[in-house]
This record gives sequence, C-alpha cells and structure tokens, in this order.
Amino acid sequence: KAGVTQTPRYLIKTRGQQVTLSCSPISGHRSVSWYQQTPGQGLQFLFEYFSETQRNKGNFPGRFSGRQFSNSRSEMNVSTLELGDSALYLCASSLGDRDGYTFGSGTRLTVV
Amino acid sequence: GENVEQHPSTLSVQEGDSAVIKCTYSDSASNYFPWYKQELGKGPQLIIDIRSNVGEKKDQRIAVTLNKTAKHFSLHITETQPEDSAVYFCAASKIQFYFGTGTSLTVIP
Repeated sequence: KAGVTQTPRYLIKTRGQQVTLSCSPISGHRSVSWYQQTPGQGLQFLFEYFSETQRNKGNFPGRFSGRQFSNSRSEMNVSTLELGDSALYLCASSLGDRDGYTFGSGTRLTVV
Repeated sequence: GENVEQHPSTLSVQEGDSAVIKCTYSDSASNYFPWYKQELGKGPQLIIDIRSNVGEKKDQRIAVTLNKTAKHFSLHITETQPEDSAVYFCAASKIQFYFGTGTSLTVIP
C-alpha cells in the first residue's frame, strides 16, 4: 500500500513569505501529526489532527497552523517566514492512539 | 510533559559487533515505546516497538528492553552491518509522542 506522501519535497522561500505543505496519509489512517526536524533541536512536535480536529498542539508560535480535510489529507501553513523556520518538516500518520507512526519523507524548507 | 533522554549521541562500532542505545523517560504513564531509524534524505522508519506490559521484544538482529521501574528502555542491534548506519530515535508515548534527540550510528566495515 502507498506510504505517507508529502509534497513538495523541496521548497525555497524568502523571509516574510508564507508556505503551505501537504501530506497524504496512508489510506485508513485518521491521525496525522506534523514535526519540525532541525539538527540542533531534533524532532519537535507541531500538531496532531484526528478526524479533522486538532487534538494536540506543540509549543510553536501562531504563525504555524494546520488543518485536516475529510479525506484525512492534511496541510500545514507557515506565515511570515523567518530564517529559523528552515527545517525538514515531517508528516506522520497512524491508525490510532496506540499505534506507531508512519512518517513521510518530509519537505525540506529553506528560507533565504 | 514527558522528557526523553537518549544516549549516546554518536556511536561507532566495527561490523559484526553489537550496538546499544539507551533512553530514559520521565512520565510513568507512558506506555508505548517505538524506535525509529532515519537514513539520509528519508523520514524516520519504525523498526521495533514495545508496550509497557512487555519487558523485551526481539526481531531478528534487533531487540528492545524496557525497565518500567527505572523508566528506561534500550535498543540492541547485534551483528551490525554497514547498512545499519543511520540515525536512531527513541520515543515514549501515552497519547502524544516524545522523541529522544537521536543517535548517529556508524558501522565501520
């Protein structure tokens, strides 16, 4: 079966711009979580969506937002980009609370 | 919230030797402990997991042990091969996942 698909794979944006990243979970998975990965901070939790509702949120500023659609696909948006937002953004899906994640390959965002 | 510490941050072993990575967690309510392997340019991949009602789990060359009392769990890789070279992450979860900071494993041929 198809894995978690993230698009685009690479993105270069300028400071102040906004960006939208997309994630298609494994078919049947209703939980989608987003993480920011940087060399210095490791995997930082952004938010989790389940059945179109944000269920958990990490400690990120309001510039980071997300949503989930009825088909479980999810998007995350970052507004007013800063240089420090450069990172690998990972999406992970799971069947439910007691299941492991399946990660996508990530979107590499570079802010210049 | 939960705090997961992972050691060592880097590990080099000779091919064929064993590698051990250790993690500790702070929240005794955490009940699910997965391990992920991340290769360059890829997302983390689940390699093994253990739940709090089990003390040890093995899958071929990979094993995980859990000590609930001491709140620590470990990943053991035996007979290491060059393709085991990657970054390994532990995680602890009750509902939300909390990740360790990763261990960069290098297997020297």
